[in-house]
Formats: sequence, structure tokens, C-alpha cells
Amino acid sequence: SQQGEEDPQALSIQEGENATMNCSYKTSINNLQWYRQNSGRGLVHLILIRSNEREKHSGRLRVTLDTSKKSSSLLITASRAADTASYFCATKQAGTALIFGKGTTLSVSS
Amino acid sequence: DVKVTQSSRYLVKRTGEKVFLECVQDMDHENMFWYRQDPGLGLRLIYFSYDVKMKEKGDIPEGYSVSREKKERFSLILESASTNQTSMYLCASSVPWDRGFSSGNQPQHFGDGTRLSIL
Repeated sequence: SQQGEEDPQALSIQEGENATMNCSYKTSINNLQWYRQNSGRGLVHLILIRSNEREKHSGRLRVTLDTSKKSSSLLITASRAADTASYFCATKQAGTALIFGKGTTLSVSS
Repeated sequence: DVKVTQSSRYLVKRTGEKVFLECVQDMDHENMFWYRQDPGLGLRLIYFSYDVKMKEKGDIPEGYSVSREKKERFSLILESASTNQTSMYLCASSVPWDRGFSSGNQPQHFGDGTRLSIL
């Protein structure tokens, strides 16, 4: 049961540019989370936004949530080569496990 | 820091073998999860467990079973491995969801994955 869907599937940018990834989902949620996965490794939690929040910041990350449109965006400012990874959104409903999207692959070239 | 350890990074097994993937977490988390990750399909939940000896099917449990005899350890078992079970397997843990709204707002912590090849 795929809930979140990221867009675009792949994104290539230069170092210093901003990267924006979007996530759309289908049903009501408790919270939405973003994870990063470096090649061949496990997922690392980046940021969580609750359903009653609209925007959240963590360092160079900015997440927005629009529950009326059932969508979220992840903005990475001033991208670095080390940000090259796959990024997944995951939605949390009451009493269920997280449901992950298929991910956006970000490539940052120097 | 939470540490989720998967016993093998890479594993090669033969069709028909019984395969055990082990996962251990050190944060006393009640919830543990097994996912498989395939290109173009993202992460799909196989099984999860919310307590010792408890288990719930995820989206793709067929061909798999799990065991949770101790709180810190969650094992995934491929009863008779097949080539279509070649995949990256990821284990995760988290606090329980039933301690109120705030506890539901906690991340899942992942291991580094086991890349399993069935020949």
C-alpha cells in the first residue's frame, strides 16, 4: 500500500544550488517524515512534521506540509556533494507502520 | 544514539535454502520492522512486531516468517528461498505508538541493510 509518492524521481544540481523534492499522499496522516539513504546504506531520519504544523526547519533543511493538498516539500539549501543520496518521504497514520514512497535520487555535482 | 545492527551486509544463498536474517537494537524499543527494498518499488513492509512474541503482517508477508523471542532481536526467515527474494532487506525499530500522540511522532531507526542474493 504505497501512500507517499515523491517527485521528481531524479534531480541533478550543482553544488550551492537549492534542491526541492515533493511528496504527495492519499489519506489523512498523523505526521510525515523525511529520510535520507546514502548508496548501499540504511535510511537515516532527517525531519518529522506533525499534521498540525505547516513548516519546520533543521539546519539547511526546510519542510512544508499542506494537509489540504495532501502534499509536502523538502528543501535543501546550498547543496553540497555530500547531500547526494536518495530521499524518501514516509507517512504515519494512527496505529500503523510508516508507509514509504519510492524516493527521489539527488545528485549534487561539484 | 540508537543502534540497529543487522548481522550481515551481504549474503549469498541457494534456492530452496532456509535463510535467517538477524537484527538487534540496543534502545529497548518495542517496535521492530522488516522491509525489503527493490529498485523502482521503494520500501515495502514485510512484517513488524510491537512486542516480544507478537507479530503483524505487512504488505508482502508471503514466503517470509519472523521470530521475536527477545525484545532486542527480530529475525526474518525465508522458509525456502527463491530467486525473487533477492533484494536489500532493512530492519528498523521505534518506540511504541500507543503512548499517546507524542510517541507516535518518533522516527524509525534503521540498520545498514542486508543485500541478499539467491542463486
